[in-house]
Amino acid sequence: DQQVKQNSPSLSVQEGRISILNCDYTNSMFDYFLWYKKYPAEGPTFLISISSIKDKNEDGRFTVFLNKSAKHLSLHIVPSQPGDSAVYFCAASAGNFNKFYFGSGTKLNVKP
Amino acid sequence: NAGVTQTPKFQVLKTGQSMTLQCAQDMNHEYMSWYRQDPGMGLRLIHYSVGAGITDQGEVPNGYNVSRSTTEDFPLRLLSAAPSQTSVYFCASRTTSKQGAGYTFGSGTRLTVV
Repeated sequence: DQQVKQNSPSLSVQEGRISILNCDYTNSMFDYFLWYKKYPAEGPTFLISISSIKDKNEDGRFTVFLNKSAKHLSLHIVPSQPGDSAVYFCAASAGNFNKFYFGSGTKLNVKP
Repeated sequence: NAGVTQTPKFQVLKTGQSMTLQCAQDMNHEYMSWYRQDPGMGLRLIHYSVGAGITDQGEVPNGYNVSRSTTEDFPLRLLSAAPSQTSVYFCASRTTSKQGAGYTFGSGTRLTVV
């Protein structure tokens, strides 16, 4: 049973608008979360992280929000650009940076 | 700086054959790992290593062997390939000197077992 779930396989957004990608987890021991972006035929690239001691982390157009009580995190991209079109994975670990559990990914399409 | 290099990019094996997927990194990262990506499953950890001579199992280790004789290389061996091992394999590394640092991934090896 997957401990990290991304329930939306795909998302389509107009250029300039906000993209919100969601991720849910079941293991209450998870305390560190990462988001990766993946283009076809390439490996995932690290995007942004958040520790459970925070509820928000920003890096340019990317903001990750963490709601520990709901076991939910989200990635906001503002404004969305066509180059953001990719598959986005969230990942979580439980006090052990050596083992991360990944969600199944959400394919984002940003329309010009 | 090449980052993480995986070879080959594509491979077709017959059931029962063996092969080694190669992974090399030039960033002097202590940690290296292997993931497999299957449709609808995300990435799942196979094996990982925190330094030369040290390896440990991940989520789905069965059917795979690893060793880490140098900091740079972390090969993944399939001793007797099975169709269930058809997947895309990613090698990843990170530095352990910065807590929480994200992984650097290779571009993947697409393996088909027939």
